[in-house]
Formats: sequence, C-alpha cells, structure tokens
Amino acid sequence: TQLLEQSPQFLSIQEGENLTVYCNSSSVFSSLQWYRQEPGEGPVLLVTVVTGGEVKKLKRLTFQFGDARKDSSLHITAAQPGDTGLYLCAGTITGGGNKLTFGTGTQLKVEL
Amino acid sequence: GAVVSQHPSRVICKSGTSVKIECRSLDFQATTMFWYRQFPKQSLMLMATSNEGSKATYEQGVEKDKFLINHASLTLSTLTVTSAHPEDSSFYICSARDVLAGSSAEQFFGPGTRLTVL
Repeated sequence: TQLLEQSPQFLSIQEGENLTVYCNSSSVFSSLQWYRQEPGEGPVLLVTVVTGGEVKKLKRLTFQFGDARKDSSLHITAAQPGDTGLYLCAGTITGGGNKLTFGTGTQLKVEL
Repeated sequence: GAVVSQHPSRVICKSGTSVKIECRSLDFQATTMFWYRQFPKQSLMLMATSNEGSKATYEQGVEKDKFLINHASLTLSTLTVTSAHPEDSSFYICSARDVLAGSSAEQFFGPGTRLTVL
C-alpha cells in the first residue's frame, strides 16, 4: 500500500503553462518535503513544510501543506523546460520515527 | 549544503557475484543513513535504515541476508548486494542525517549507484 499518492503521474505541458501536482495520504505527517530528481541523479530537496495550512514560495513554485497535514500541493507558474524532472513528495509520519515515505512521483515534461 | 557521495556511480556485474556500494557523508557525521532502491519510472522505496554501531533495520519484504548493510563509522555505510541477479538491477540511493542537527534534520541524498546485473 502506497501511503502517499501523487497525481498526476505524468504531465506534459508547453512552456509558459501553469500546473499543480497533488500529494495525498490518509496518514498525518509531522513534516512533508518536495524533491525534484533528474535522471541518473539523487533527489534534491526543494522545500520542507511542517505546519498545517503552511504556504511556501520558491520563485515560481508554491507549496502548500494541508490543514490536517495529510496532503500537499506544488504549483508551478509559467513552467520552463528547466522544470522538467521527476517531482517527489515525501513525509515523515507522526510517530513513525525519522523514516521518509516517498510519494508515487510525478514526471513533468515542459516543452518549448 | 551537506554532501553525500556514493561509490561507484555505476557498476555492471555477472549474475551470482556480490557488489558493494559505499555511501559517505563528506562534511558531517551521520549516525543514521538510509538506503533506497528506485526502479525505472518509479519512486524511491526505503530498503533499510543503517545505524552506526548497531544492526540495520530492514523494511518489510527486504531480505537482510541478501542486502548486507554495515555502518562502521559516522561517515560511511556500505550496502552489499550478495549473489546478485538480474532482478536486483536498479538505482540504489543512500541518504544521511547530520547527527548534530536534531531529530527533525533533513536527509541529504547521494547521487545514486546504477547497478546492472547481467
């Protein structure tokens, strides 16, 4: 059973478009992180959210943690080809120690 | 930011042989390191938690006798895939937490090791 479901699984858009990736769970997370991974490389941390309802912005990326800390979203404005990659949410379950549970992943391709 | 390295970056071996992958924290000490496996087009799946000076904790379904983990120092953990078979071919990624950064410390990820078993 996958604890963290991401949607969509694949997304192919044109440069300049906006998009939102969702990360949902039935479990409560003490913190949730978003990563971006390029082929053949390890994931790179984009942001960590810890408070229910928290919103963080990183340039054209906006991250939101759900009020109940069970879900999160990543919104990209005016996507660029450089945004192409595998986006992964990951969280530490409340009471689950330090283990990170990764989401199912969203493969984003931004074309010119 | 903290740096985690892995060696080798890619390895090809024959079926039945054993392969050792190293994970090093270069500028911090890590009492805990994590080993993940990632198949093509899929997400990372935690295999085991490596604890310095004690036995590793394996996730359900991961064979501890097949994936041997040793965490002999605060900067090095090794994963040995014993008697490798083609189905073990995957991308193996480690991560490490800074021992001084507290219980909510970020995990820093290595660049991964691509294992291909012929």
